[in-house]
Amino acid sequence: DIQMTQSPSPLSASVGDRLTITCRASQDISHYLAWYQQKPGKVPRLLIYDASSLESGVPSRFSGSGSGTDFTLTISSLQPEDAATYYCQQYTSAPWTFGQGTRVELK
Amino acid sequence: EVSVVESGGGLVQPGGSLRLSCAAFGFNFNNFWMNWVRQAPGKGLEWVANIKDDATEMYYADSVKGRFTISRDNAKNSLFLTMNSLRVEDTAVYYCTVGHYTNSWGQGTLVTVSS
Repeated sequence: DIQMTQSPSPLSASVGDRLTITCRASQDISHYLAWYQQKPGKVPRLLIYDASSLESGVPSRFSGSGSGTDFTLTISSLQPEDAATYYCQQYTSAPWTFGQGTRVELK
Repeated sequence: EVSVVESGGGLVQPGGSLRLSCAAFGFNFNNFWMNWVRQAPGKGLEWVANIKDDATEMYYADSVKGRFTISRDNAKNSLFLTMNSLRVEDTAVYYCTVGHYTNSWGQGTLVTVSS
């Protein structure tokens, strides 16, 4: 099975900062990667699919990049409502797998 | 609009069994892989199992292999998860999800394994 490893948690940043979360796959997954945001008590929300495609309704400050084994989720200007846990998920081949999550805190 | 509704969770003793169900609405169920994903209290998301659109392929996380069985009924737009030999560490909210990635999550169903 493919293992997904994310940036250490938590990440602390200030409002307005540019924040990058990394996700590394244990083998080549091409561009078959999604990013989710989850706030406490809520279900996950899809942000990015196919590594860099922005889901409808997601603010443009979120962007994704990468291919192969190394991927990033970038928030260009951190907002208070972005405090959450972020997960990557690969879907190049079953079984799909999630990263362990990266919690983003505001300073 | 795509929606799913999970049911069947509850309190069960270690070693017991449960069968979860997921009713799907608003899309052509026959055309999509379906998944079970779980989240233990205070923990991250864990993919549990998935099943191909025509039910010819099923995959499981190592943590549940041999104990859980995923199945589907395309005529009734329904997904199932039969869980046997349940352990305390299987305690979680179980979500049914659609496809390879999804923005359509139900509210989940809570499974509590405790004596």
